Amino acid sequence: KAGVTQTPRYLIKTRGQQVTLSCSPISGHRSVSWYQQTPGQGLQFLFEYFSETQRNKGNFPGRFSGRQFSNSRSEMNVSTLELGDSALYLCASSLAASGGLLLYEQYFGPGTRLTVT
Amino acid sequence: DQQVKQNSPSLSVQEGRISILNCDYTNSMFDYFLWYKKYPAEGPTFLISISSIKDKNEDGRFTVFLNKSAKHLSLHIVPSQPGDSAVYFCAASAGYGGSQGNLIFGKGTKLSVKP
Repeated sequence: KAGVTQTPRYLIKTRGQQVTLSCSPISGHRSVSWYQQTPGQGLQFLFEYFSETQRNKGNFPGRFSGRQFSNSRSEMNVSTLELGDSALYLCASSLAASGGLLLYEQYFGPGTRLTVT
Repeated sequence: DQQVKQNSPSLSVQEGRISILNCDYTNSMFDYFLWYKKYPAEGPTFLISISSIKDKNEDGRFTVFLNKSAKHLSLHIVPSQPGDSAVYFCAASAGYGGSQGNLIFGKGTKLSVKP
């Protein structure tokens, strides 16, 4: 079974621009979560989508947004980029079945390395 | 305030010996815990997990222990191999009554296994 894929793998943008990152979950997985990883803050939760609905949101400004499509693929968008947005953005998918241990196990993609100059 | 803490940023172990990675948490609502391994330039790889109704879970060379009263969990790797050298993240979820899609991560422990 193919893993979680993220595109693009690397991106360089300038301050003030906006960016869209894409994530394709493992086939059959309905939940997609996004995380930001920086050296200082570690891995921080951005938001989670399930059945095209945002189910939970982390503590990030409104410049960070996302969506999920009917095939469970997800995109996240960052508008008005700031230097501090430079990070590795990770997408994770899970079955999110009701009940059972599989509910919690998330499988990560390789990430998109975003550099804002 | 960090809800999941990995107090040792690094750990060095000899090949063949036991590696013990520790993790503490503060939120008593956490009911599921996971360990991930991460190599540079890759996403975290799921290793092993444990539900709060258990105190131990084993998978091959990896064993996770949970002490709920102390809000502490540990990952044991026996025997350690050079290929285990990576950053290990502890993560927790308050799935029941919270959001299953939100994992709270520690800041990681870099394990180096020397041949």
